[in-house]
Amino acid sequence: DTGVSQDPRHKITKRGQNVTFRCDPISEHNRLYWYRQTLGQGPEFLTYFQNEAQLEKSRLLSDRFSAERPKGSFSTLEIQRTEQGDSAMYLCASSLSDSLYGYTFGSGTRLTVV
Amino acid sequence: AQKVTQAQTEISVVEKEDVTLDCVYETRDTTYYLFWYKQPPSGELVFLIRRNSFDEQNEISGRYSWNFQKSTSSFNFTITASQVVDSAVYFCALSEAIQGAQKLVFGQGTRLTINP
Repeated sequence: DTGVSQDPRHKITKRGQNVTFRCDPISEHNRLYWYRQTLGQGPEFLTYFQNEAQLEKSRLLSDRFSAERPKGSFSTLEIQRTEQGDSAMYLCASSLSDSLYGYTFGSGTRLTVV
Repeated sequence: AQKVTQAQTEISVVEKEDVTLDCVYETRDTTYYLFWYKQPPSGELVFLIRRNSFDEQNEISGRYSWNFQKSTSSFNFTITASQVVDSAVYFCALSEAIQGAQKLVFGQGTRLTINP
């Protein structure tokens, strides 16, 4: 068990570019979540997958955001036409269906849009 | 909607002092879970505790203790004999049911600095 891995750790991009982040959950975890954390704030829920199915999306997830989890394993989060307001830490978490211990979070991808 | 308030933005104490982090929540659910997470400078959120809304027993784990009071909708966290390694941002979170799972609603966090 190597924990939840996120790649890259840091990403700097110019406004208007597209970016994609990857999350590898703990292998036996069937649930995967994406959260966004801006500076000085707590994480906010973006979206959730059970296996390969995306079951819930926050209204924070605008049309420029898309997430996938093909084959119920790793997940990707893509942001198209990035804006400065997208600058944040993007956190991925995974869990088993009825985990007593809540989620296991990854270390996050810090996005800076310049 | 669920809401979590951590009124203390920053706390700074000297090592070995006791410190309490406050958390107040709002929910209409009768069944819910409360959590505390620690976020060190590396950025990863580290799970500390999960408490079921039906279980109001206080819990102690080493130097950490949690006081859950449903009557005041509070779930406070105390560190006894603080150490420099306790320096981090601490988040209180409340569960909210989504399709077949729970999402977490976080407070704004309390930045705790333990000075040697």
